[in-house]
Amino acid sequence: GNSVTQMEGPVTLSEEAFLTINCTYTATGYPSLFWYVQYPGEGLQLLLKATKADDKGSNKGFEATYRKETTSFHLEKGSVQVSDSAVYFCALKVRAGGTSYGKLTFGQGTILTVHP
Amino acid sequence: NAGVTQTPKFRVLKTGQSMTLLCAQDMNHEYMYWYRQDPGMGLRLIHYSVGEGTTAKGEVPDGYNVSRLKKQNFLLGLESAAPSQTSVYFCAARDSNQPQHFGDGTRLSIL
Repeated sequence: GNSVTQMEGPVTLSEEAFLTINCTYTATGYPSLFWYVQYPGEGLQLLLKATKADDKGSNKGFEATYRKETTSFHLEKGSVQVSDSAVYFCALKVRAGGTSYGKLTFGQGTILTVHP
Repeated sequence: NAGVTQTPKFRVLKTGQSMTLLCAQDMNHEYMYWYRQDPGMGLRLIHYSVGEGTTAKGEVPDGYNVSRLKKQNFLLGLESAAPSQTSVYFCAARDSNQPQHFGDGTRLSIL
């Protein structure tokens, strides 16, 4: 089956620190990979995505590279801000074909808190 | 998240009561999904729909029913609420080859 494992949280950083949130996956088939962010009291928003090996997704200073050889999709940001405080979810979607119907498999989420 | 609207935003139920959560989308998307979010477990898929009049079971369907009578609405029903169904429920919608758009969630407490 499909599964996503994220690094344990919560993660607490000072403003301008470097961020890494690890994500590894197992999948039947060739997945697309996603990072979603959930700000307090809100739903999930797509942060970035990558659809094939070696692709780099990027948005708002965040980056993640699809590493097929290590089955990983780690999220990084060079300098975090207080406004980045949120819950981050790694997710995968197996390509259409069969009965996947675009279903997402999520990791457990990582809580990030950034202090001034 | 203007495209996907969930109602209500909060609800407290007693064990055994029934209720329906409404998800409405104005994007004309074919696919809709209901998830539950629990601490340390991420989001788990309850049921989903690939088009008007269709529904299918997800990862954790027991105790829930769904209906998609109109393309824009996806209803999630709890026939007899149990404390284990205390959770935050999220609806999502998407079109082909597009990412899912999520609503803001419904926080449900079962006493």
